[in-house]
Amino acid sequence: QVQLVESGGGVVQPGRSLRLSCAASGFTISTHGMHWVRQAPGKGLEWVADIWSDGNKKEYAESVKGRFTISRDISKNTLYLQMNSLRAEDTAVYYCARDIAMFALDYRGQGTLVTVSS
Amino acid sequence: QSALTQPPSASGSPGQSVTISCTGTSSDVGGYNYVSWYQQHPGKAPKLMIYEVSKRPSGVPDRFSGSKSGNTASLTVSGLQAEDEADYYCSSYAGSNNVFGTGTKVTVL
Repeated sequence: QVQLVESGGGVVQPGRSLRLSCAASGFTISTHGMHWVRQAPGKGLEWVADIWSDGNKKEYAESVKGRFTISRDISKNTLYLQMNSLRAEDTAVYYCARDIAMFALDYRGQGTLVTVSS
Repeated sequence: QSALTQPPSASGSPGQSVTISCTGTSSDVGGYNYVSWYQQHPGKAPKLMIYEVSKRPSGVPDRFSGSKSGNTASLTVSGLQAEDEADYYCSSYAGSNNVFGTGTKVTVL
């Protein structure tokens, strides 16, 4: 059974860092492109970043480029999102997802809430 | 990359059909056949309903269908049921910058 469990969210001050994790089970993350998508409270979905299945290509939304880094540990079957220089506008529920086709995202977790506030 | 444009709301009575539009540009919707649609109930994660414009993942009822013409994609929900009441988002591959739609709240009257 495919599962994705996001963790690492919490309350953090502006300018600080946080690392999110997404533990996968029921499939191998190296066989799928993996994505982070966020949703600010009461707002719509925003794509954040992805890593292609071969691990060689990583892409970022303009809003996080230079501050966020996506990575993975195949031995742990886990996806990460390192978030630096956090801003209030980064406050959101962060979901990880695997793709089953080009940018066709299969969400299997409940997300993790990141709140950036002083 | 700007968000794709969707109507804020749509509604229909049980058994009727509702169609949601998703308008982008030649750099996203019009440039690729990689449009997806997601259903999201309050407090829940999104669920993939349509991908590659018109394909349905396993388990999605055939009441849900997708199409595209030029820079505009559409999702049609036929035979509306109470459980179809939710927010719906389109998305499109856009090169190195993927994009979601603004979202449409579907109400079953």
